[in-house]
Order: sequence, then structure tokens, then C-alpha cells
Amino acid sequence: DTAVSQTPKYLVTQMGNDKSIKCEQNLGHDTMYWYKQDSKKFLKIMFSYNNKELIINETVPNRFSPKSPDKAHLNLHINSLELGDSAVYFCASSQDQGTGAEDTQYFGPGTRLTVL
Amino acid sequence: AQSVAQPEDQVNVAEGNPLTVKCTYSVSGNPYLFWYVQYPNRGLQFLLKYITGDNLVKGSYGFEAEFNKSQTSFHLKKPSALVSDSALYFCAVRDSNYGGSQGNLIFGKGTKLSVKP
Repeated sequence: DTAVSQTPKYLVTQMGNDKSIKCEQNLGHDTMYWYKQDSKKFLKIMFSYNNKELIINETVPNRFSPKSPDKAHLNLHINSLELGDSAVYFCASSQDQGTGAEDTQYFGPGTRLTVL
Repeated sequence: AQSVAQPEDQVNVAEGNPLTVKCTYSVSGNPYLFWYVQYPNRGLQFLLKYITGDNLVKGSYGFEAEFNKSQTSFHLKKPSALVSDSALYFCAVRDSNYGGSQGNLIFGKGTKLSVKP
């Protein structure tokens, strides 16, 4: 059974479109995350979310928005896609323990987004 | 501010030889340190972490890492490399002093490990 899954695996779309990437975790974790990996493989946090709060990296454009229908899902919505949004997007989850800083994050397989 | 550095873009090792992938960090409080591996076209897989206690941490696939507070390092090691270890390795750090957005997991730029037969 896949612990953290994402759909679709590949997403090719035109500039200006709106798209969503889905993420589900079956680990019973409390916190979920979205990361962006650029063409140089650099990983950067975009959002973290649990039932208490949404934490947004201030560098993320407001065209990006996470939506959590329930504790096991955190979907990523992207409006008005731009060429620079092309990247691999990873979902992750972790179980809150103590302050949360020591939690291990478990990653999904990634979604490769290509904006034409 | 938290930061992590992986000084080598690529490490080349012959199969059977020991390997080391370097990582140094900077935090204001106590560091929580992690190593992840990414195989081509795959997600990141957790290898090991240091939170507290013994400076030598053992993880998956025979990997280990040594926390060195004086050198602010957390190098990844394996006594005998396998061709199948070839992948991209990421070191990551979190500062125990910070929560919220300042407590984010910060990743290094990654080191490509190439193990030749």
C-alpha cells in the first residue's frame, strides 16, 4: 500500500489554465506539506497544514492554494499557470510529535508539471 | 537563519569502497538533521535522522551518519558502496528553536552519488 500518493504523475497544460494536484496519505499523520523541486533539483517548502493552521512560505504566489477536504488529503490548486511553474511538486506528511520539529516527513512520488 | 550546505555536487565511488557524502549546517538552537535519498523519477525516501543522543545514527540500506556538533556536520557514510546506491542524496535541517514557518525543514541542494562497478 502506498503511504503517500499523488495524482496525476504527469501534468502537461497551457499557460493561463487552472489545475489541481491531489495528495492522499494513509499513515494517519496530522500534518501535510507541499514542496516544489525545480529543474536544478532544489527543494523548497510551499505549505504545511494541519487541523490547527496553514503555514504558507511567503515566497509562494497567491495563485497557489492548498485545499484539505479531510485530514488524509491536501490538494494543490494552481490558478493562471505560468511557464515558471513547471517543476516537480511533492506532497509529504508527518506525525506530530512534541514540537513537531523532530518529525520525519514521508514523501509522495511527485507530480511533474509542464506548462507550455 | 537556518541553512544547510552540501559542498559536493557529485561524489564518485567504486563499488565496494566506502562512501561519504558531506553535509554541514547552521542553526541558532539545537539541530534536527535528516538524510533523504531520491532515485531517478521517484520521490524522496527517508534514510535516517539525528534528534538527540548517540552521535552515530544508523539508518536504512546500511547507511549511517555522524553528528559532529563542533564541526556542525552530519556526514552520510556507508562502509561498502553498491551500484544500486547511485542516486541523489539530500541533507535537511530543522532548528529546534523555531516553530511555524521558521521551523520549516530546510534542504541542501543535493549530492549526486555515482557508484561504478
